[in-house]
Formats: sequence, C-alpha cells, structure tokens
Amino acid sequence: DAGVTQSPTHLIKTRGQHVTLRCSPISGHKSVSWYQQVLGQGPQFIFQYYEKEERGRGNFPDRFSARQFPNYSSELNVNALLLGDSALYLCASSFSMGAEFGELFFGEGSRLTVL
Amino acid sequence: DAKTTQPNSMESNEEEPVHLPCNHSTISGTDYIHWYRQLPSQGPEYVIHGLTSNVNNRMASLAIAEDRKSSTLILHRATLRDAAVYYCILRYGGSQGNLIFGKGTKLSVKP
Repeated sequence: DAGVTQSPTHLIKTRGQHVTLRCSPISGHKSVSWYQQVLGQGPQFIFQYYEKEERGRGNFPDRFSARQFPNYSSELNVNALLLGDSALYLCASSFSMGAEFGELFFGEGSRLTVL
Repeated sequence: DAKTTQPNSMESNEEEPVHLPCNHSTISGTDYIHWYRQLPSQGPEYVIHGLTSNVNNRMASLAIAEDRKSSTLILHRATLRDAAVYYCILRYGGSQGNLIFGKGTKLSVKP
C-alpha cells in the first residue's frame, strides 16, 4: 500500500515568490496535517484539515494557506517567500482526528530552499 | 499545551535495551503520551502511545508512571537502525489532533 506521498521532494525558490506543495494521504485517511521542520528543530504544526474543513491552525502568518480536496489530498501554499521559510515541509495523514486513535503517518517531506 | 522534557542525547550499544525517559509534570487527565522517532532524512514515524497503562507493541514498550508525570520508552534490543531522534509528545484527547514536537532525544547506537 502506498504511504503518504508528497511532491515535489526538493525545490528552490527566490524571495518573494510563491510555492505550492502537494500531499496525497494514505487511502481511506480523511485527516491531513502540515508541519514545518527547520534544520535542527522538531516539526512545527501549521494546519490540520479533516473532511475538507480546517480544524486547526498553528502560529504561522497569513502567507501560509492550505486546502483539502474532495479526494482528501491537500495543498500547502506559501506566498511572498522569505529566507526563513527554508525548511522541510511534512505532510501527515490519519484516519481520524482524535489522539486516542493513535498514529499519524508522515510523508518524507518537501525540502524548500529560499534564496 | 503541556510540555515534555527529554535529554538531548543518549548512547546505547547494539543489542542492549534502551530506556528513553520523558518528564511531563503538567500533564492533564485527557493527554495521551505519544512517541515518534525520526530517522535521518525521513519524516517522523509513530512508535507507540498510551494513556494510563503500560503498552507494548512490536517496536517498543511504553512504561507510564502511576502519577503520569513521567514515562519511559523502552527499546528491548537496540539495533543500528534505531539510531534516530525520539520525540515524546502529549496529545490532547479531544478533537484536536496536532502534535507539539519538542527537540527530542538523539539516540546513537554503537556496534
């Protein structure tokens, strides 16, 4: 079975540009979350979507936005890129939202470099 | 959000047990204790989770203190493949599903 897939795996942008990152969850999973991981730090929560609705948002500026499609895939958009947006962007999927149901499944991430 | 405290790094020898501690003195009654690990150049991977009772699965065991203010992840026989950053995370047992990662414990395994 396919795990969580993310694209692109690597990309380079310049300051001020826009980027779109894509995520396909495991089949049957309805919840998708996005995390940002800066080098040397743990992942930081950006968004959670469940059944195509935003269910949680981390402490990130409005330049960050996301959406979930009817097939439960998701996009993360970042506008007006800054050097500090350089990071590994991780997508995670789960069947439901509750902590009692256990695990999130993470993709291998999209490595964004902003020059 | 309740926070966790873990040692920055630990070392282990291959094929020996490893006990990774985590303190969470401000845990609330509805917080689940989750452990994830992240191997180099990969996304985090679920290891185990529990609420009050000790838990076992094919990867590890989770020992939870009676007062729930600390827990220990136990790898019964460390392998080189277990070298990773291990994150202890408290996850609210309601509708919120996001994980709050700290810096974790970097585990090194020596052959």
